[in-house]
Amino acid sequence: EAQVTQNPRYLITVTGKKLTVTCSQNMNHEYMSWYRQDPGLGLRQIYYSMNVEVTDKGDVPEGYKVSRKEKRNFPLILESPSPNQTSLYFCASGFRGRSEQFFGPGTRLTVL
Amino acid sequence: TQLLEQSPQFLSIQEGENLTVYCNSSSVFSSLQWYRQEPGEGPVLLVTVVTGGEVKKLKRLTFQFGDARKDSSLHITAAQPGDTGLYLCALRGGDGGSQGNLIFGKGTKLSVKP
Repeated sequence: EAQVTQNPRYLITVTGKKLTVTCSQNMNHEYMSWYRQDPGLGLRQIYYSMNVEVTDKGDVPEGYKVSRKEKRNFPLILESPSPNQTSLYFCASGFRGRSEQFFGPGTRLTVL
Repeated sequence: TQLLEQSPQFLSIQEGENLTVYCNSSSVFSSLQWYRQEPGEGPVLLVTVVTGGEVKKLKRLTFQFGDARKDSSLHITAAQPGDTGLYLCALRGGDGGSQGNLIFGKGTKLSVKP
């Protein structure tokens, strides 16, 4: 089944404890992206990648890192999480040059 | 600065009613997408509109792209409880954002009561 998977789906952690949220797609998409969704602010793009080893900042990159070593994976890294990074995170992928994006099921992160 | 404004922010209607939600931008854009997000899930693409004045239909949903390519609307006929969700419009790369940067409106949260 063609899909975007994220792990974990739910995570509660404490300030300063490094964490990684994984994202994987099996559709051979060049483009992958991370968003966060917050009440009243909507979906905002954190980072995106147009292809392997190519990443760019979105609208809200501060406090996040990403890497794209393989085409199918695009992990989101929080080196030192803070409470303002409590949010619902979505990974998405798509074919480069096409507008449709396929979203994962979301990761709900709480930073205490 | 938010490029896309959606209205209304919330909408609660009874099953069988018709409704229209709007997406507006101060800038001309070349294409626009509509997504629906159900509770606990990621957004799912409904349609992409690319031509000024374009109208696309998806069962009971009708999407229209304004002639000036600065606005779009989504009309739902005879709404059903299954239409409940968050409706989002989005611009893709080059439309006010850098290539690859997808920008979303804040969405219209629709609730259809049986």
